[in-house]
Amino acid sequence: KNEVEQSPQNLTAQEGEFITINCSYSVGISALHWLQQHPGGGIVSLFMLSSGKKKHGRLIATINIQEKHSSLHITASHPRDSAVYICAALYNQGGKLIFGQGTELSVKP
Amino acid sequence: EAEVAQSPRYKITEKSQAVAFWCDPISGHATLYWYRQILGQGPELLVQFQDESVVDDSQLPKDRFSAERLKGVDSTLKIQPAELGDSAMYLCASSLVAQGFGTQYFGPGTRLLVL
Repeated sequence: KNEVEQSPQNLTAQEGEFITINCSYSVGISALHWLQQHPGGGIVSLFMLSSGKKKHGRLIATINIQEKHSSLHITASHPRDSAVYICAALYNQGGKLIFGQGTELSVKP
Repeated sequence: EAEVAQSPRYKITEKSQAVAFWCDPISGHATLYWYRQILGQGPELLVQFQDESVVDDSQLPKDRFSAERLKGVDSTLKIQPAELGDSAMYLCASSLVAQGFGTQYFGPGTRLLVL
């Protein structure tokens, strides 16, 4: 069982829709990263958070430490948001990032 | 804006051949990571360097994979001999801060196909 689980694995939305991608992890972590991977393979770091909420443009990331859960929200989605979104947890033990399997998002015009 | 460079971008090789990938991190980034990403999965850490020292290579298949960062700057990942199951995207990332606390900057990756 993967220590970091994402849902859904695939998501298709219409332009303008509000999107939520979920990430859950199994034990204590120091930080959680959200990453975006475009079809060509390049990965861009979106957020790193250890508590609360962060916002950048139309992207919002939240984390609930007690529930071991994080969400990535996209408001007013656009076709250019189509990508794979990956969460990665920095576990207290070992200091290594463990990646989820990714959520493939497709936003249709 | 500074970027992580990787080469080659694509590599096709035959089983049992040797392959090598190169990574040049962002200047000043002491921490360098090599990841392997199999299609449809998230990246998996192969090796982490802090300057020229290996910090974590617990997931590196050492019978066939080797990695070095001799001067603490650029790095090379080698596979010898390549196997069919090695077909994947190999990603290099660098970070100013160690231990995963800092933002990791990823290179474009090398897509390897082993025939």
